[in-house]
Amino acid sequence: DGGITQSPKYLFRKEGQNVTLSCEQNLNHDAMYWYRQDPGQGLRLIYYSQIVNDFQKGDIAEGYSVSREKKESFPLTVTSAQKNPTAFYLCASTRWGTYGYTFGSGTRLTVV
Amino acid sequence: SQQGEEDPQALSIQEGENATMNCSYKTSINNLQWYRQNSGRGLVHLILIRSNEREKHSGRLRVTLDTSKKSSSLLITASRAADTASYFCATDVSYSGAGSYQLTFGKGTKLSVIP
Repeated sequence: DGGITQSPKYLFRKEGQNVTLSCEQNLNHDAMYWYRQDPGQGLRLIYYSQIVNDFQKGDIAEGYSVSREKKESFPLTVTSAQKNPTAFYLCASTRWGTYGYTFGSGTRLTVV
Repeated sequence: SQQGEEDPQALSIQEGENATMNCSYKTSINNLQWYRQNSGRGLVHLILIRSNEREKHSGRLRVTLDTSKKSSSLLITASRAADTASYFCATDVSYSGAGSYQLTFGKGTKLSVIP
């Protein structure tokens, strides 16, 4: 079955650590997105990528980095510069010329 | 920045009743979409309405759009316990011209359907 796989489902980070969240899709979608969801805050866009080897900052990119070396993969690194990383992270994708995003099931990141 | 704002923030109804959620937005849009999120899960696309459409139906869902008021509503008829979820509106306020767009989401309405 086609879809988006996010891993891990739960992730714990120590202060000062970098962690990487995985997002893989087998939908042959062109564009991929990372959103952060905090309670009562809705979804906020972190980074997006329209094409391999290209990505753009969203509204809250500070403290995060991404790469898009393959069409199927769009990993997100939460760096130590992100001071409040505890949140639910959602990856999404879409095909050019179509509407509607497909979302992964999310990664819950907690700072310990 | 939030583009869409849903109202109410939370809604509790009895099974079989209709549920209405509203969304207001600030700038011109190409289309407006509604998504559903079950607790702790990803979002699922429900329905899209284009800026030149006023009403759209899909099963028990009815969406309206009033571009003059910059608002949309989602009606779920004959609600079921399984409809319990958060519902988000999303608008495509950015289009880079490269083939896709960025969606901006509201804060959501949390719907509880009591059996």
